[in-house]
Amino acid sequence: EVQLVESGGGLVQPKGSLKLSCEASGFTFNNYAMNWVRQAPGKGLEWVTRIRSKSNNYATYYADSVKDRFTISRDDSQSMLYLQMNNLKIEDTAMYYCVRRGSMVVGYAMDYWGQGTAVTVSS
Amino acid sequence: ENVLTQSPAIMSASLGEKVTMSCRASSSVNYMYWYQQKSDASPKLWIYYTSNLAPGVPARFSGSGSGNSFSLTISTMEGEDAATYYCQQFTSSPYTFGGGTKLEIK
Repeated sequence: EVQLVESGGGLVQPKGSLKLSCEASGFTFNNYAMNWVRQAPGKGLEWVTRIRSKSNNYATYYADSVKDRFTISRDDSQSMLYLQMNNLKIEDTAMYYCVRRGSMVVGYAMDYWGQGTAVTVSS
Repeated sequence: ENVLTQSPAIMSASLGEKVTMSCRASSSVNYMYWYQQKSDASPKLWIYYTSNLAPGVPARFSGSGSGNSFSLTISTMEGEDAATYYCQQFTSSPYTFGGGTKLEIK
């Protein structure tokens, strides 16, 4: 059974930093691209960042809203995904989901989502 | 970026009623994807490659469309279908989501 378990969320002051983690299990982690998607309270979904697999040189991509502030990384040996968030802004307040990008079989859709970890940026 | 506009934003339907919601893209896409999210739960993949149902999705759901215009249809509304539905495109980065259609029971 595929499982994605996020951790590391919490309350942080503006301009502060936070590192989110996602522990993956139930599938061959190193074969899949992984994403972070966030959802502000009462709002819709926003794709944040993506990291591809080793075979694709761990290429990374970011939404403009987080570029130069957030860094996605992965440790395939531990089946872990990370999101380092620096210079946090109030508008970064959201539930952050760890999401697997599926294979061609499902059109490379985001086929598994974690339960999310909440980040609140407030003074 | 490719902006996805979903309509209506909120809708209600009676049990047994046919439901259709729309997703329009500002630029043409190859396929559309849909997710279902219930209150206080994570989103679930619902439809991929425009019209393919994800495992476990009831056959009363269907997806259709091409180019800039796509839709999700429920042939007969059931209580468990009350949720918010989001469309998403993977044709161009960033992989944008629509704003969602919240479906309620009338």
